[in-house]
Amino acid sequence: DAKTTQPPSMDCAEGRAANLPCNHSTISGNEYVYWYRQIHSQGPQYIIHGLKNNETNEMASLIITEDRKSSTLILPHATLRDTAVYYCIVRVAGGSNYKLTFGKGTLLTVNP
Amino acid sequence: NAGVTQTPKFQVLKTGQSMTLQCAQDMNHEYMSWYRQDPGMGLRLIHYSVGAGITDQGEVPNGYNVSRSTTEDFPLRLLSAAPSQTSVYFCASSYSIVGGNEQFFGPGTRLTVL
Repeated sequence: DAKTTQPPSMDCAEGRAANLPCNHSTISGNEYVYWYRQIHSQGPQYIIHGLKNNETNEMASLIITEDRKSSTLILPHATLRDTAVYYCIVRVAGGSNYKLTFGKGTLLTVNP
Repeated sequence: NAGVTQTPKFQVLKTGQSMTLQCAQDMNHEYMSWYRQDPGMGLRLIHYSVGAGITDQGEVPNGYNVSRSTTEDFPLRLLSAAPSQTSVYFCASSYSIVGGNEQFFGPGTRLTVL
């Protein structure tokens, strides 16, 4: 799986958009970009994933650059409950690759 | 749906004791897995299963056994607990690993080995 690089921490004001970057410059054509988050002491929670196109769901938007070497997770209106570690994961979907490789992620702190 | 459930939530063992961490899902998912998370680190895959009767090793399988007799349950057995197995254990499940399927995680079991 391609290696990802994320900033170790970010701050965001409550009610503002949180933009979390991820660099995955060695991504292959058949690798998806996944985002998970882990709120303190809880199990990881799936947020969104994409292959080439930008994606949006009820939680967030995922913007993938045209060359697919980087992406940004956008939480449009951050709340205090969005304080968590956010993990950007790149993996081939299917085949014999079953695991999610979690790095250290970005600790997002939403401030009142 | 209850999703992915894990029991117990907390456990303290003495070195050499054995125990089983329980994991169950009610979503009819084919794929289930166990991860461990040590302080300040990401999750590491211990064992996984792609269906009833099929299991395989992840990246840190030593000291752990698994079996998958039903689609719903995927217990993790510690054969002889060691202090190095002190960790938080997460079970996860997914409908399939083909395509962009999300994995659902349980709330975790916090294990301390003295």
